Amino acid sequence: SQQGEEDPQALSIQEGENATMNCSYKTSINNLQWYRQNSGRGLVHLILIRSNEREKHSGRLRVTLDTSKKSSSLLITASRAADTASYFCAMVTSGTYKYIFGTGTRLKVLA
Amino acid sequence: GAGVSQSPSNKVTEKGKDVELRCDPISGHTALYWYRQSLGQGLEFLIYFQGNSAPDKSGLPSDRFSAERTGGSVSTLTIQRTQQEDSAVYLCASSPGVWTRSNTGELFFGEGSRLTVL
Repeated sequence: SQQGEEDPQALSIQEGENATMNCSYKTSINNLQWYRQNSGRGLVHLILIRSNEREKHSGRLRVTLDTSKKSSSLLITASRAADTASYFCAMVTSGTYKYIFGTGTRLKVLA
Repeated sequence: GAGVSQSPSNKVTEKGKDVELRCDPISGHTALYWYRQSLGQGLEFLIYFQGNSAPDKSGLPSDRFSAERTGGSVSTLTIQRTQQEDSAVYLCASSPGVWTRSNTGELFFGEGSRLTVL
């Protein structure tokens, strides 16, 4: 399979709680990105972390990358109902511009 | 254009018919990608273009699938003799294609073409 693996597949939390999603991959990467998808249509880019970085922050988002374990995590702090969506990691294979996506985590934030 | 445009947004066809899906990327973007997403599933890589050439066609499921890009802009994904398992949302994305200090390397997605094969 050319896909990365994400867990959990689905996550349901209360508003104000933190949400953590994990991504694992198999190839050597240039960078890893996280995307959000509402209603099964187009994806929107959230954040990028390069292979030589270990942690990155953007607003309520925190991404970590462990290249030795070939894994990444996305933390959304103080979640809101509007964060309800599917979240995908995308790995950019080293030496290419090829983006391989993970299987996704469906997040539901209850008001 | 202002964003990635895909057409048609919805297509219903009968098994065995050919379909063409079109993607118009953001002006100036040299890289263009096609993905397939079945209901509730992740994105399956199909093919990507750098300019008019396709360095990686490894994701095309069978020889019924083909894609072309002309003039470094619009791309067409063609599915011949459609089967019910081809039913999915077909997503197109583009990017500047060359990573620079000011380029985040993000993909810009269209809203997708939902294909239903009866």
